Amino acid sequence: QQQVKQSPQSLIVQKGGISIINCAYENTAFDYFPWYQQFPGKGPALLIAIRPDVSEKKEGRFTISFNKSAKQFSLHIMDSQPGDSATYFCAARRAAGKSTFGDGTTLTVKP
Amino acid sequence: DVKVTQSSRYLVKRTGEKVFLECVQDMDHENMFWYRQDPGLGLRLIYFSYDVKMKEKGDIPEGYSVSREKKERFSLILESASTNQTSMYLCASSLRGAGQGDTIYFGEGSWLTVV
Repeated sequence: QQQVKQSPQSLIVQKGGISIINCAYENTAFDYFPWYQQFPGKGPALLIAIRPDVSEKKEGRFTISFNKSAKQFSLHIMDSQPGDSATYFCAARRAAGKSTFGDGTTLTVKP
Repeated sequence: DVKVTQSSRYLVKRTGEKVFLECVQDMDHENMFWYRQDPGLGLRLIYFSYDVKMKEKGDIPEGYSVSREKKERFSLILESASTNQTSMYLCASSLRGAGQGDTIYFGEGSWLTVV
């Protein structure tokens, strides 16, 4: 049973455009929703995260929107740059530090 | 900076061999994890340890075991490697405790090919 569903699987955006990646979860016990960014040959690294008591969090060009009633959250990358090309994973933390990850989205930003 | 070091980046092993993947973290984190990453399947948790000598099964523990004899070191063991265990393996760590275990720090991964 997949607890965190991520879409799309891949995304191509022009430089300067907005990249949007969506995730949906099922378990209402999740209490922390991070996004990780992974470059080829590297391990994932925390990009931005949100807790369910907040509907939006912005850090620079990256914004998380959180809809608790719909059990959905999304990552928006404004003014997308070629350097943003990477794989993005959403995640939801369940208990004792364990997290469930989405399947990942490969983002390509064309110059 | 937190550092999670996976000693072997690339390994090729034969079917039936016993394989050890080693991981060391330098930030005194209580939690350590082993994930497996496959295209289109995301990151799947194999095993989790929240303290020395403590371990908990993740979502896909079959065919794997782990060892945590020291706080900083977490080993993944494939008792008898099979071709369907060809994958990238990611070690990770985090602090324990409410609000502290938020960020998971990953190593750079170990690419294992079983032939």
